Formats: sequence, structure tokens, C-alpha cells
Amino acid sequence: AQSVTQLDSQVPVFEEAPVELRCNYSSSVSVYLFWYVQYPNQGLQLLLKYLSGSTLVKGINGFEAEFNKSQTSFHLRKPSVHISDTAEYFCAVSSTGGTSYGKLTFGQGTILTVHP
Amino acid sequence: DADVTQTPRNRITKTGKRIMLECSQTKGHDRMYWYRQDPGLGLRLIYYSFDVKDINKGEISDGYSVSRQAQAKFSLSLESAIPNQTALYFCATTGGVLPGELFFGEGSRLTVL
Repeated sequence: AQSVTQLDSQVPVFEEAPVELRCNYSSSVSVYLFWYVQYPNQGLQLLLKYLSGSTLVKGINGFEAEFNKSQTSFHLRKPSVHISDTAEYFCAVSSTGGTSYGKLTFGQGTILTVHP
Repeated sequence: DADVTQTPRNRITKTGKRIMLECSQTKGHDRMYWYRQDPGLGLRLIYYSFDVKDINKGEISDGYSVSRQAQAKFSLSLESAIPNQTALYFCATTGGVLPGELFFGEGSRLTVL
């Protein structure tokens, strides 16, 4: 079984400031890790993913995340946010088996609000 | 046109009514999924299908059923809706080649009174 905990339900930040959205996970097997973004009244879209290799992964819109196996964390960061980054962000995990590719366990979500 | 289309986008119904949410996709993917989103709970998997003849229960399948009418169509039914099924429902697809790369529809918001 897997679980994902997003440590902040809401993160307010001013435009051009850095931001970190925190995600911890628990799993008894190897996992893949993902961040998805949901803009208002839209479906989710993939921001970035960690499958293997370098623990620092870069995604779309200037976001990056670092996989820390010892701390079972996968925090999302952006050095300078824009108003358009206002959205809800979801951390997710899946098992590494091929049949699990679409079976994601999601965290509770973090609402990022960027103020001018 | 969207790659994954859900209908209806919004529905208000009463307790005990039967409701069907439909999903169609033009991505040519074999794998389709229904997720439910509740505030503060994230998304949870209801059912998934790897092809027309393969249907599997997810984490929260009780009270729901699905039908895979064709490779491109996957519908979710609530046989007798109850208020705690009020939620935002998402259909998603993947080709099963890249882990976790789900393509989501825009969601169907269901309110059960």
C-alpha cells in the first residue's frame, strides 16, 4: 500500500518570490513520483515525474522537484512564481509495474495562490 | 477539441436516481480510468480498464459500475445516487508506455441532493 501526504493545504506567496510545496510518501515497494497541476475548472496535467536516475527533475513552467529517498520526500520548487501559477498542485505515486502506470495514489492537494 | 471529453460537465440529481457519466477519448489509448476528487482528499481511483474486455475495481468502487463500450468510450454509472457521492469526477487515459502520464478530461461535477 502507498500513501502520500502534502504537508500544506494552502500556500500564499507574492509574485516573483520562491515557493516550495512539500510532499512525503510512504510505500513498501519502489515507486514512481509525480506532480500534477490543476488550474481552475480544468483537469489535471502532468508537471514533472521522477522515474529513476538524477534525483533533481525539471518540469514544465520552470518547476523542479527533488527526490530524497532517505526522507521519502519529493518537494516541488520554483525560484520565482507568476500570477499564472495560481492553481492546485497534487503529488502522486505509483508502483513501478507496467499495470500500475495509470493507478496513481494522490496527495490531498496544495492550493498555491500567487498575490501581486 | 479536447482529447478526453466528459459529459455532462455538471449535473444535479436527487437521491436514488440513476446517473451515467460518459467519457470519450481521441488519443487512441487502451487504458482508461475514473477518479473521484473531493476537497481535502485529493483524487481516488474508482475503476479502470485496460481494454474493452478488462475492467478492474479501484480503491473506492462500491456504489459505482462502469462500462467500456469501445476502446474510446468508458462510462461510469451510479445506480442509486446518494449525497456522499457528490464530487468532481475525472476520466483519464494513458497509453501505458510512460509511467504516470495520465491525460485527464475537464471533469464532471455531480451534486446529489
